[in-house]
Parts: sequence; C-alpha cells; structure tokens
Amino acid sequence: DAKTTQPNSMESNEEEPVHLPCNHSTISGTDYIHWYRQLPSQGPEYVIHGLTSNVNNRMASLAIAEDRKSSTLILHRATLRDAAVYYCILITQGGSEKLVFGKGTKLTVNP
Amino acid sequence: DSGVTQTPKHLITATGQRVTLRCSPRSGDLSVYWYQQSLDQGLQFLIQYYNGEERAKGNILERFSAQQFPDLHSELNLSSLELGDSALYFCASSRSPWLAEPPGEQFFGPGTRLTVL
Repeated sequence: DAKTTQPNSMESNEEEPVHLPCNHSTISGTDYIHWYRQLPSQGPEYVIHGLTSNVNNRMASLAIAEDRKSSTLILHRATLRDAAVYYCILITQGGSEKLVFGKGTKLTVNP
Repeated sequence: DSGVTQTPKHLITATGQRVTLRCSPRSGDLSVYWYQQSLDQGLQFLIQYYNGEERAKGNILERFSAQQFPDLHSELNLSSLELGDSALYFCASSRSPWLAEPPGEQFFGPGTRLTVL
C-alpha cells in the first residue's frame, strides 16, 4: 500500500481555517485520497475523498496538488468539535481496497 | 450516529477465554469490516465481508475468526485470549465493497472495548 506522511499534531483557534497537509509522493494513478477523522472515544468518521480534482462537501474541502504527490484537507472554520485525529489514507482502485490507517494528525482547537 | 451498532460496549474477561463481538451494519450496506485499535498498534484492519463472503484479510490472528450472516450482521470471535488482545474493536460498513468508487465511504460503529485480565 502506498504510504502517506502527516504531521503528528497541529493547533488552531476556533473559527479560523485549518489546513491539514498530507504527503503521498509514491501515489499511483489509481489511488484515491481519503480522509477520515476520529473524535475522542468514538469510531472513525469519513470526511471526504478525491482522485484528481479538488472536492468540497459540507464538512470540508480537499485540495489535491497537480502532481497528486500531496493534498490538503481544509476545515473552513474550525470548531471545538473538530478536535480529532485526522487520517489521510490512499485506496487503490481494484487493489486490496482496505483502509490502512497511519498515525494521523492530532488537531487541537483552542477556544 | 453512523447507523452501525456494536454490542457489547464493554467486555471484561480473563486470559484463555473466548468472546464474541457483534455488529449490525447500516441498513442497505452489504460490506462489513472489522478493525482493532490498540495504543501501540493504532487502527489495524482485520477482515472484510461482503454479502456473506470473506473478501479481504488483514492482520487477523489465527485465534480470531469472523463471519457474516444472511441478515448481514457480523460476528467477530476471539479465542484463547491474551493480555495483548485488550483493545477497541470497531466494525464498519459500506454500500459497496469497492472503496475507491463512489460513494466510497465506510461508516464506523462506536466500538467494543475488550479488556483481558
């Protein structure tokens, strides 16, 4: 499975935008980029996914670099409820199609 | 609430024992996944079932087994339990077995916390 690299932790203030980076320099053409987050004492929660183009949904935006070697999850206005561990995961189309979770980025949101 | 239910919430047992964890997927989801989350190993994929058939295997020990029943609920059986099996066990479900295709997401249950003493 292709690997991803994320910072161990990041901090943000409430109501400010947060940009969570992910490097995936060995990504292949058939790899989808998925983001999940895990709030304290809960199961992981799907956030967003994409292949090549930027994606938006009600939770976040996903900005994918032109060469696809990196991506950024954008939370437009962080709330205290966004404090969680965020995981960037690559899934290969037609491959084993399982979620391989790394260590993720622990996001702290300050009031 | 993801729509995925897991029972029991907590389980305390002794080494050498056997336990069964139960998962009911979201309505309409045919694919069920099991994950183990421990402090030192993080979230690890164990096994996937799709419509009753095993579809993918991860780091599942031979002492562990799972099955998916005709009503699509799934059970994870853990036997000859060791102290190191203490962990959170999550079940997830998805509509399609192919995560790379839309809609693409898995929905996770609240987990079962297993403590082996």
